[in-house]
Amino acid sequence: GAVVSQHPSRVICKSGTSVKIECRSLDFQATTMFWYRQFPKQSLMLMATSNEGSKATYEQGVEKDKFLINHASLTLSTLTVTSAHPEDSSFYICSARGTRGGQPQHFGDGTRLSIL
Amino acid sequence: AQKVTQAQTEISVVEKEDVTLDCVYETRDTTYYLFWYKQPPSGELVFLIRRNSFDEQNEISGRYSWNFQKSTSSFNFTITASQVVDSAVYFCALSENNAGNMLTFGGGTRLMVKP
Repeated sequence: GAVVSQHPSRVICKSGTSVKIECRSLDFQATTMFWYRQFPKQSLMLMATSNEGSKATYEQGVEKDKFLINHASLTLSTLTVTSAHPEDSSFYICSARGTRGGQPQHFGDGTRLSIL
Repeated sequence: AQKVTQAQTEISVVEKEDVTLDCVYETRDTTYYLFWYKQPPSGELVFLIRRNSFDEQNEISGRYSWNFQKSTSSFNFTITASQVVDSAVYFCALSENNAGNMLTFGGGTRLMVKP
């Protein structure tokens, strides 16, 4: 079945560091990728939708200068948390959907980000 | 706008008990998709089922079964003869118009199955 690889799975770094998270579709072309954030014991909230070759669409309240999304190819989207602070600590999950309409999303395994 | 409500935040059962997780949704679209995901402590989302709005047939997969009722906008999930390995957070989710559109998740239900 379709596989989405998300890397790294866990990051611990100092405040002020920028962190890049990669989301790759391994066996299908993903025209659209989604980035979700999940705080402890809470649900997943959509941060942004990225379409290959165009700017990402951010949900209300998500700072686009803080969370940079690049979807440069049909198999790769990246989320960069710039100048991360402790409040950015969270679980980030990407998902990807294929080029054919009606295909469901496939999720990566998530990245647990801890900012000290 | 769409909304998914999982009223039960935590459920605790003893192994072999049956348990039903409730999910109620709101949407203005006539075409929509409903999903259930399992999130074990390791964090990844495990896809369990997808159902479109035109298919109200109930589904059974092993110990899992789902009851979709459009009349009450509910898509409940039952685990029969629960096992300790079923302990996880379960999310119900909705996407409008297209199964690949953004998902709106419910708040999740944490299921604890005790031996």
